[in-house]
Amino acid sequence: DGGITQSPKYLFRKEGQNVTLSCEQNLNHDAMYWYRQDPGQGLRLIYYSQIVNDFQKGDIAEGYSVSREKKESFPLTVTSAQKNPTAFYLCASSKAGGNQPQHFGDGTRLSIL
Amino acid sequence: QKEVEQNSGPLSVPEGAIASLNCTYSDRVSQSFFWYRQYSGKSPELIMSIYSNGDKEDGRFTAQLNKASQYVSLLIRDSQPSDSATYLCAVNIVGPGTASKLTFGTGTRLQVTL
Repeated sequence: DGGITQSPKYLFRKEGQNVTLSCEQNLNHDAMYWYRQDPGQGLRLIYYSQIVNDFQKGDIAEGYSVSREKKESFPLTVTSAQKNPTAFYLCASSKAGGNQPQHFGDGTRLSIL
Repeated sequence: QKEVEQNSGPLSVPEGAIASLNCTYSDRVSQSFFWYRQYSGKSPELIMSIYSNGDKEDGRFTAQLNKASQYVSLLIRDSQPSDSATYLCAVNIVGPGTASKLTFGTGTRLQVTL
Protein backbone atom coordinates (compact mmCIF):
# COMPACT_ATOMS: atom_id res chain seq x y z
CA ASP A 1 0.00 0.00 0.00
CA GLY A 2 1.23 3.49 -0.84
CA GLY A 3 1.58 5.87 2.04
CA ILE A 4 3.70 7.91 4.41
CA THR A 5 5.41 6.20 7.31
CA GLN A 6 6.58 8.12 10.34
CA SER A 7 8.62 6.58 13.11
CA PRO A 8 8.75 6.29 15.98
CA LYS A 9 5.17 6.87 17.11
CA TYR A 10 6.36 8.17 20.51
CA LEU A 11 9.73 9.68 21.33
CA PHE A 12 11.24 11.04 24.52
CA ARG A 13 14.08 13.51 24.59
CA LYS A 14 16.49 14.22 27.39
CA GLU A 15 17.85 17.69 28.03
CA GLY A 16 20.67 18.59 25.64
CA GLN A 17 19.91 15.70 23.30
CA ASN A 18 19.27 15.82 19.56
CA VAL A 19 16.62 13.44 18.27
CA THR A 20 15.71 12.48 14.71
CA LEU A 21 12.20 11.76 13.44
CA SER A 22 11.89 9.56 10.39
CA CYS A 23 9.55 10.13 7.45
CA GLU A 24 9.41 7.82 4.43
CA GLN A 25 6.92 7.90 1.52
CA ASN A 26 6.32 5.52 -1.37
CA LEU A 27 3.82 7.72 -3.20
CA ASN A 28 6.47 9.01 -5.62
CA HIS A 29 5.72 12.53 -4.42
CA ASP A 30 8.23 15.26 -5.16
CA ALA A 31 7.45 17.56 -2.24
CA MET A 32 7.67 16.77 1.46
CA TYR A 33 6.86 18.83 4.56
CA TRP A 34 7.25 18.87 8.32
CA TYR A 35 4.67 20.45 10.61
CA ARG A 36 4.37 20.90 14.32
CA GLN A 37 1.00 20.85 16.08
CA ASP A 38 0.50 22.06 19.65
CA PRO A 39 -2.76 21.56 21.60
CA GLY A 40 -5.44 23.98 20.46
CA GLN A 41 -3.28 25.34 17.67
CA GLY A 42 -3.14 24.81 13.96
CA LEU A 43 -0.34 23.18 12.03
CA ARG A 44 2.80 25.25 11.75
CA LEU A 45 5.29 24.61 8.95
CA ILE A 46 8.85 23.80 10.04
CA TYR A 47 10.61 22.88 6.76
CA TYR A 48 9.64 21.80 3.28
CA SER A 49 11.42 20.30 0.31
CA GLN A 50 10.43 20.42 -3.35
CA ILE A 51 13.24 18.28 -4.71
CA VAL A 52 16.11 16.08 -3.59
CA ASN A 53 19.02 17.96 -2.01
CA ASP A 54 16.98 21.14 -1.61
CA PHE A 55 14.80 22.40 1.23
CA GLN A 56 13.42 25.69 2.57
CA LYS A 57 12.67 27.00 6.02
CA GLY A 58 9.06 27.30 7.04
CA ASP A 59 7.60 29.57 9.68
CA ILE A 60 9.25 27.99 12.75
CA ALA A 61 12.55 26.46 11.58
CA GLU A 62 14.70 27.57 14.52
CA GLY A 63 15.99 24.61 16.52
CA TYR A 64 15.27 22.11 13.73
CA SER A 65 17.25 20.69 10.82
CA VAL A 66 16.37 18.46 7.86
CA SER A 67 17.98 16.64 4.95
CA ARG A 68 16.63 15.35 1.65
CA GLU A 69 19.14 12.90 0.23
CA LYS A 70 16.51 10.62 -1.30
CA LYS A 71 13.15 11.38 -2.86
CA GLU A 72 11.45 8.97 -0.46
CA SER A 73 12.95 10.25 2.78
CA PHE A 74 12.82 13.56 4.70
CA PRO A 75 14.11 13.14 8.28
CA LEU A 76 13.71 15.91 10.85
CA THR A 77 16.23 16.50 13.64
CA VAL A 78 15.03 18.31 16.73
CA THR A 79 18.18 19.85 18.18
CA SER A 80 18.94 20.82 21.75
CA ALA A 81 18.48 24.44 20.65
CA GLN A 82 14.72 23.83 20.41
CA LYS A 83 13.74 24.68 23.98
CA ASN A 84 10.11 23.66 23.77
CA PRO A 85 10.07 20.51 21.63
CA THR A 86 7.03 18.81 23.17
CA ALA A 87 4.49 18.58 20.34
CA PHE A 88 2.88 16.36 17.73
CA TYR A 89 5.08 16.28 14.62
CA LEU A 90 3.47 15.58 11.26
CA CYS A 91 5.15 14.75 7.98
CA ALA A 92 3.29 15.30 4.71
CA SER A 93 3.95 14.90 1.02
CA SER A 94 2.41 16.09 -2.23
CA LYS A 95 2.84 15.89 -5.98
CA ALA A 96 4.68 18.75 -7.64
CA GLY A 97 2.56 21.78 -8.48
CA GLY A 98 1.28 24.64 -6.40
CA ASN A 99 -2.30 23.39 -6.09
CA GLN A 100 -1.71 19.83 -4.95
CA PRO A 101 -3.19 18.58 -1.69
CA GLN A 102 -0.89 17.27 0.98
CA HIS A 103 -1.21 13.83 2.55
CA PHE A 104 -0.08 13.14 6.09
CA GLY A 105 1.68 10.37 7.96
CA ASP A 106 0.42 9.18 11.35
CA GLY A 107 2.67 11.55 13.29
CA THR A 108 5.27 11.33 16.06
CA ARG A 109 4.62 12.56 19.60
CA LEU A 110 7.73 14.03 21.15
CA SER A 111 8.00 14.66 24.88
CA ILE A 112 10.75 15.83 27.21
CA LEU A 113 11.93 13.48 29.94
CA GLN B 1 -4.83 39.43 11.13
CA LYS B 2 -4.74 35.65 10.89
CA GLU B 3 -4.36 34.32 7.36
CA VAL B 4 -6.93 31.55 7.76
CA GLU B 5 -9.64 31.86 10.39
CA GLN B 6 -12.06 29.30 11.74
CA ASN B 7 -14.41 29.32 14.70
CA SER B 8 -12.88 26.90 17.20
CA GLY B 9 -16.27 25.61 18.37
CA PRO B 10 -17.35 23.20 19.57
CA LEU B 11 -20.14 23.12 17.02
CA SER B 12 -22.80 20.77 18.33
CA VAL B 13 -25.39 19.28 15.96
CA PRO B 14 -27.87 16.45 16.46
CA GLU B 15 -27.48 13.21 14.54
CA GLY B 16 -29.04 13.47 11.09
CA ALA B 17 -28.76 17.26 10.91
CA ILE B 18 -26.59 19.37 8.56
CA ALA B 19 -23.32 20.64 10.02
CA SER B 20 -21.99 23.87 8.51
CA LEU B 21 -18.33 24.73 8.98
CA ASN B 22 -16.90 28.05 7.84
CA CYS B 23 -13.47 29.41 7.02
CA THR B 24 -12.26 32.84 5.90
CA TYR B 25 -8.89 33.68 4.42
CA SER B 26 -6.98 36.88 3.88
CA ASP B 27 -4.83 36.28 0.78
CA ARG B 28 -6.77 37.16 -2.36
CA VAL B 29 -4.40 35.25 -4.65
CA SER B 30 -5.09 31.91 -2.96
CA GLN B 31 -5.93 29.33 -5.59
CA SER B 32 -6.72 26.08 -3.86
CA PHE B 33 -8.62 25.15 -0.73
CA PHE B 34 -8.78 21.97 1.29
CA TRP B 35 -10.73 20.51 4.16
CA TYR B 36 -9.09 17.99 6.46
CA ARG B 37 -10.69 15.92 9.20
CA GLN B 38 -8.64 15.20 12.31
CA TYR B 39 -9.81 12.78 14.96
CA SER B 40 -8.44 13.30 18.46
CA GLY B 41 -4.86 12.06 18.68
CA LYS B 42 -4.68 11.25 14.96
CA SER B 43 -3.23 12.94 11.89
CA PRO B 44 -5.28 15.05 9.44
CA GLU B 45 -7.08 13.24 6.62
CA LEU B 46 -7.97 15.03 3.38
CA ILE B 47 -11.72 14.98 2.73
CA MET B 48 -12.33 17.72 0.14
CA SER B 49 -10.46 19.89 -2.33
CA ILE B 50 -12.00 22.86 -4.15
CA TYR B 51 -10.43 25.17 -6.70
CA SER B 52 -13.19 27.22 -8.34
CA ASN B 53 -16.16 29.23 -7.15
CA GLY B 54 -19.33 27.33 -6.42
CA ASP B 55 -20.19 24.01 -4.84
CA LYS B 56 -18.45 20.66 -5.00
CA GLU B 57 -20.20 17.59 -3.69
CA ASP B 58 -18.73 14.27 -2.60
CA GLY B 59 -21.11 11.93 -0.84
CA ARG B 60 -22.43 13.63 2.30
CA PHE B 61 -19.86 16.42 2.01
CA THR B 62 -20.26 19.67 0.05
CA ALA B 63 -17.54 22.29 -0.15
CA GLN B 64 -18.53 25.83 -1.12
CA LEU B 65 -16.10 28.49 -2.31
CA ASN B 66 -16.67 32.22 -2.74
CA LYS B 67 -13.43 33.91 -3.76
CA ALA B 68 -14.95 37.39 -3.91
CA SER B 69 -15.95 37.15 -0.24
CA GLN B 70 -12.88 35.09 0.64
CA TYR B 71 -14.63 32.28 2.38
CA VAL B 72 -14.88 28.56 2.01
CA SER B 73 -17.34 26.32 3.82
CA LEU B 74 -17.98 22.64 4.37
CA LEU B 75 -21.46 21.17 4.74
CA ILE B 76 -21.94 17.71 6.18
CA ARG B 77 -25.38 16.26 5.52
CA ASP B 78 -26.99 13.56 7.66
CA SER B 79 -24.34 14.06 10.36
CA GLN B 80 -23.24 10.90 12.16
CA PRO B 81 -21.51 10.46 15.52
CA SER B 82 -18.47 9.25 13.54
CA ASP B 83 -18.23 12.76 12.04
CA SER B 84 -17.28 14.11 15.48
CA ALA B 85 -13.78 15.47 14.91
CA THR B 86 -11.86 18.67 14.32
CA TYR B 87 -12.11 20.02 10.78
CA LEU B 88 -9.14 21.96 9.46
CA CYS B 89 -9.38 24.44 6.62
CA ALA B 90 -6.20 24.82 4.55
CA VAL B 91 -5.50 27.45 1.92
CA ASN B 92 -2.76 27.46 -0.67
CA ILE B 93 -0.73 30.63 -0.31
CA VAL B 94 1.25 31.32 -3.46
CA GLY B 95 4.94 30.78 -2.78
CA PRO B 96 8.19 30.25 -4.66
CA GLY B 97 8.81 27.15 -6.68
CA THR B 98 6.37 24.32 -7.05
CA ALA B 99 5.68 23.32 -3.47
CA SER B 100 2.10 23.47 -2.35
CA LYS B 101 2.58 25.73 0.67
CA LEU B 102 -0.55 25.47 2.74
CA THR B 103 -1.66 27.67 5.59
CA PHE B 104 -3.96 25.96 8.07
CA GLY B 105 -6.68 27.34 10.28
CA THR B 106 -6.80 26.24 13.90
CA GLY B 107 -9.80 24.01 13.20
CA THR B 108 -13.43 23.74 14.25
CA ARG B 109 -14.39 20.97 16.65
CA LEU B 110 -17.64 19.26 15.61
CA GLN B 111 -19.71 17.23 18.04
CA VAL B 112 -22.57 15.15 16.68
CA THR B 113 -24.98 14.28 19.47
CA LEU B 114 -27.32 11.27 19.64
